[in-house]
Amino acid sequence: GNSVTQMEGPVTLSEEAFLTINCTYTATGYPSLFWYVQYPGEGLQLLLKATKADDKGSNKGFEATYRKETTSFHLEKGSVQVSDSAVYFCALLITDKLIFGTGTRLQVFP
Amino acid sequence: EAQVTQNPRYLITVTGKKLTVTCSQNMNHEYMSWYRQDPGLGLRQIYYSMNVEVTDKGDVPEGYKVSRKEKRNFPLILESPSPNQTSLYFCASSLNRGKQFFGPGTRLTVL
Repeated sequence: GNSVTQMEGPVTLSEEAFLTINCTYTATGYPSLFWYVQYPGEGLQLLLKATKADDKGSNKGFEATYRKETTSFHLEKGSVQVSDSAVYFCALLITDKLIFGTGTRLQVFP
Repeated sequence: EAQVTQNPRYLITVTGKKLTVTCSQNMNHEYMSWYRQDPGLGLRQIYYSMNVEVTDKGDVPEGYKVSRKEKRNFPLILESPSPNQTSLYFCASSLNRGKQFFGPGTRLTVL
């Protein structure tokens, strides 16, 4: 079946540290891939997306590359800020259905 | 401002007492959806609607009903709530399935 697996959190970092949140997927077909972010007390917002293999999505300093060979879409940021503290969800879209991972909480301390 | 609104934001109720959570969007989106968010389980889709009068079950529809009489509104109905429906609920709308706009969430507690 179709599914998304994310690393368990929380991920705890100091400000300006490098961030990686791992995401791998299983899909029958060719999905589009997404990262959504949920700030405290809010709904999810689309952070970035990639629609085909080797595409790189980027936004607000975050990047993720669609790797078909490793079925991965890892989220990275070179220098995190306290304001990046949130829950990050990896998701895939296949046959018109959006499937979410379980989310990874990121905590950034000054 | 483009947005999805939900009401109420917080609700505490008792088992068996019917309730409705409203959802409204002002973006003229055809597609709307309801999710529940539970710790360790992420977001799971309850119901979705492709357009007015067109609704379909998601992954966890048991115990829920929806209706889509108008394009902008997509209420979630719990006819007889039970404690296992205690959760955080999100409504979402979109033009295409990938970029969905989420409401702020409704935290429901069923005692």
